[in-house]
Amino acid sequence: GEDVEQSLFLSVREGDSSVINCTYTDSSSTYLYWYKQEPGAGLQLLTYIFSNMDMKQDQRLTVLLNKKDKHLSLRIADTQTGDSAIYFCAERDTGRRALTFGSGTRLQVQP
Amino acid sequence: DAGVIQSPRHEVTEMGQEVTLRCKPISGHDYLFWYRQTMMRGLELLIYFNNNVPIDDSGMPEDRFSAKMPNASFSTLKIQPSEPRDSAVYFCASSLGGGTAAFFGQGTRLTVV
Repeated sequence: GEDVEQSLFLSVREGDSSVINCTYTDSSSTYLYWYKQEPGAGLQLLTYIFSNMDMKQDQRLTVLLNKKDKHLSLRIADTQTGDSAIYFCAERDTGRRALTFGSGTRLQVQP
Repeated sequence: DAGVIQSPRHEVTEMGQEVTLRCKPISGHDYLFWYRQTMMRGLELLIYFNNNVPIDDSGMPEDRFSAKMPNASFSTLKIQPSEPRDSAVYFCASSLGGGTAAFFGQGTRLTVV
């Protein structure tokens, strides 16, 4: 079955870059997603990447995909205190239409 | 569009009572998902529908859980009877097509005492 893994915690200083990493096992993943969850809120879609891409940039966010190693990363440039949240990696394969989520990485931004 | 709408936002109930959670997906979306979030198990898929038809309910924990989607704009998740271990945040999400991102509601925080 599918498995998505993330480290649990990351702490950075305001203004630095944050890099959140994710690994997945399903080689048939077609889309990979990053979601953000703030306390008491739902999951907000941040960005996604199709499996035939290796990089996608969207303002302060850069997604890198290494399909050979099944490794996905999210880089947040100039991290702000408002970026403090839990970040979830998710994958969706060609057969199963539902997303499989990682356990989430809690990002703490120190002022 | 207002996004995915869930109700209630919070529910506190006593063990043994029936609980019904409601979801209105984004208009035009043909996939609807129910997820449960707990500290111990993270985000788990319970069930999903395509064009109102249940496709995969393998994540439904036991027979106490049931879900329906009577039309394209409404779905319910029912727990009967509820137990303390059902306490969690339940999310509904919807998507257009099978290859696009899912959009989540704000969730229902269920506490069973």
